[in-house]
Amino acid sequence: EVQLVESGGGLVKPGGSLRLSCAASGFTFSSYSMNWVRQAPGKGLEWVSSISSSSSYIYYADSVKGRFTISRDNAKNSLYLQMNSLRAEDTAVYYCARRSIAAPGVSLWGRGTLVTVSS
Amino acid sequence: QTVVTQEPSFSVSPGGTVTLTCGLSSGSVSTSYYPSWYQQTPGQAPRTLIYSTNTRSSGVPDRFSGSILGNKAALTITGAQADDESDYYCVLYMGSSWVFGGGTKLTVL
Repeated sequence: EVQLVESGGGLVKPGGSLRLSCAASGFTFSSYSMNWVRQAPGKGLEWVSSISSSSSYIYYADSVKGRFTISRDNAKNSLYLQMNSLRAEDTAVYYCARRSIAAPGVSLWGRGTLVTVSS
Repeated sequence: QTVVTQEPSFSVSPGGTVTLTCGLSSGSVSTSYYPSWYQQTPGQAPRTLIYSTNTRSSGVPDRFSGSILGNKAALTITGAQADDESDYYCVLYMGSSWVFGGGTKLTVL
C-alpha cells in the first residue's frame, strides 16, 4: 500500500527539541521530493520545509528557519524533521507530504502527528 | 510578504455549482505558480484535488475542476454533494517555497 506514516510527536516544553519521522512505503521514495506541512489547532495549513529527492535542495519557511532541520534517508525510506528551540506557536499537527513528480503540488499525504509545546 | 487570499466561507445548494478562488495580495496568479487545491474535513488529513492549475489527482471526480479566472486560480465544483462540505485550501508555488491560502469553509445547504 502506498502510504506515509508520521511518528515522533508529543508534548515538549518551550525551548525543547523533538524529532519527527515519516516512514514511506509502496513507492520509490528516492524518486520524490518531500515536504513537511503543519496545521495549528483550528487554523489553516502552513508549509514548513521541503527537501529534494537527493537532498541537494532544502528550503524552510521563515517561521522555522534556523530552528528546524529537514533530512531524509533514502536507504530507509524515511523523512525526518529535527525541531529545536520549540515555541508555543509550533504546536500543530505535522503532516509528511510527497510532492508530485509531474508538477509542484502534494500527491500523497500522511495522517499527521501532533506536536504540543507547553510548559 | 506574499499573502494568498481565499474566501473565508462560501455556501452552495445541493446540486449547485460553486467557484472558489485563490488570489495574491499583490499581483496575479498564473499557471507559473502551479496552483493546487486540497480538501480537508475536520480531524482528517488533507486530500489532493487539483495540482498544476487543472490536473485532477487520481480518483478525484470530474465535477472538481481547476482553472485560471482573471487574475486568480479557481476551483469549481459542479453538482455539489453533501459530502463536499469541507475546508478547501489552495497553495501557490514560489520556487523555493509554498504559500497556502487561509482556506475556504464550504457549506452545502
